Amino acid sequence: NAGVTQTPKFQVLKTGQSMTLQCAQDMNHEYMSWYRQDPGMGLRLIHYSVGAGITDQGEVPNGYNVSRSTTEDFPLRLLSAAPSQTSVYFCASSLLETDTQYFGPGTRLTVL
Amino acid sequence: AQKVTQAQTEISVVEKEDVTLDCVYETRDTTYYLFWYKQPPSGELVFLIRRNSFDEQNEISGRYSWNFQKSTSSFNFTITASQVVDSAVYFCALGSNDYKLSFGAGTTVTVRA
Repeated sequence: NAGVTQTPKFQVLKTGQSMTLQCAQDMNHEYMSWYRQDPGMGLRLIHYSVGAGITDQGEVPNGYNVSRSTTEDFPLRLLSAAPSQTSVYFCASSLLETDTQYFGPGTRLTVL
Repeated sequence: AQKVTQAQTEISVVEKEDVTLDCVYETRDTTYYLFWYKQPPSGELVFLIRRNSFDEQNEISGRYSWNFQKSTSSFNFTITASQVVDSAVYFCALGSNDYKLSFGAGTTVTVRA
């Protein structure tokens, strides 16, 4: 199993550009989520999904969209990047809602 | 609302010293789950330990041990005989039945040779 994979590892955007951060897992996990990590603030939940076709907002959803068309994939879309979205983004998954979440390697995004 | 507080921002020790990381949490849920994750300089998040609210038994796993006390809402984590490879940021996290995890701000541990 590859576990949770994320692409790209690094990305630089200009303000206003759009992009999609990819996340995939091969463990048949129902639950997937996106977090952002900023210095001194730990990780904050952006969006999460409890299964294919079901998504919901987390703590900091503004500026981000998600969809879950398959169990394996959970992409995060930035529609119009802003400097405030400069962060490290982590995707996580777990089998059940109360299970331990396992994280991908992260994507470091810089918005100029 | 759930909240996790890690009051220690940074801890620096010499190799072989013990390190205890403090974590205090707030929740209204009667069933909840507590975690410790490690983030080494390479950046990935590594799951270390998990404790369920209905199980207050404290355990030791190798050089790791934890002290879960519901009465004080604390979930402290100890590394015994620290090593340089233990240098990392350690996060305490709180989850409940809604799948969402709330993280503390993290404690940076530096172990000097």
